[in-house]
Amino acid sequence: GQNIDQPTEMTATEGAIVQINCTYQTSGFNGLFWYQQHAGEAPTFLSYNVLDGLEEKGRFSSFLSRSKGYSYLLLKELQMKDSASYLCAVRTFSGGYNKLIFGAGTRLAVHP
Amino acid sequence: DTAVSQTPKYLVTQMGNDKSIKCEQNLGHDTMYWYKQDSKKFLKIMFSYNNKELIINETVPNRFSPKSPDKAHLNLHINSLELGDSAVYFCASSRRGTSGAQTSTDTQYFGPGTRLTVL
Repeated sequence: GQNIDQPTEMTATEGAIVQINCTYQTSGFNGLFWYQQHAGEAPTFLSYNVLDGLEEKGRFSSFLSRSKGYSYLLLKELQMKDSASYLCAVRTFSGGYNKLIFGAGTRLAVHP
Repeated sequence: DTAVSQTPKYLVTQMGNDKSIKCEQNLGHDTMYWYKQDSKKFLKIMFSYNNKELIINETVPNRFSPKSPDKAHLNLHINSLELGDSAVYFCASSRRGTSGAQTSTDTQYFGPGTRLTVL
């Protein structure tokens, strides 16, 4: 079966660094995405990894290890507006088509 | 300029009714999707259309019927609504979509969601 695990909740302090982990067991792996979702809003794209290694994008970085079925999202210089849910999603390829399978999301609370 | 739009934003209705949700994207994308996000915030794909053709149909009750009149629009009609249908329904679109193995990003862009409450 397809399984994606990430912590349910995390808290951090403004200005700090936080790492949100995601582990997955899926077949037909074809890329891993991180999305941010503020309460009551749509998910918005943050980052994408398909090869092993680190992708950096401003205050956000994402890492992937395909052999370990592991990814993390690193948020630096945390701001209050970073309080949101962070969704790990694996793109799987099967039967000629891709689809995204989402984890349950990690709710991050940033405190002053 | 809204990229992916949905109407209505909120929908409150009685059990047993039939309702529709509409989605439009102005990104010129080929593929559109419907997702359901339940109270536990699990976002799960329901359907995907590529150039008006249904290509993904997850194990969704046949009370749910998607329709794509053209590649910029994907509507969702729900018959005989049940309490368990209460959720937020998100429409999404992507450029190349789901055909073939890809290494490109091919990001999915989500609409604002429709919060459906069945009483």
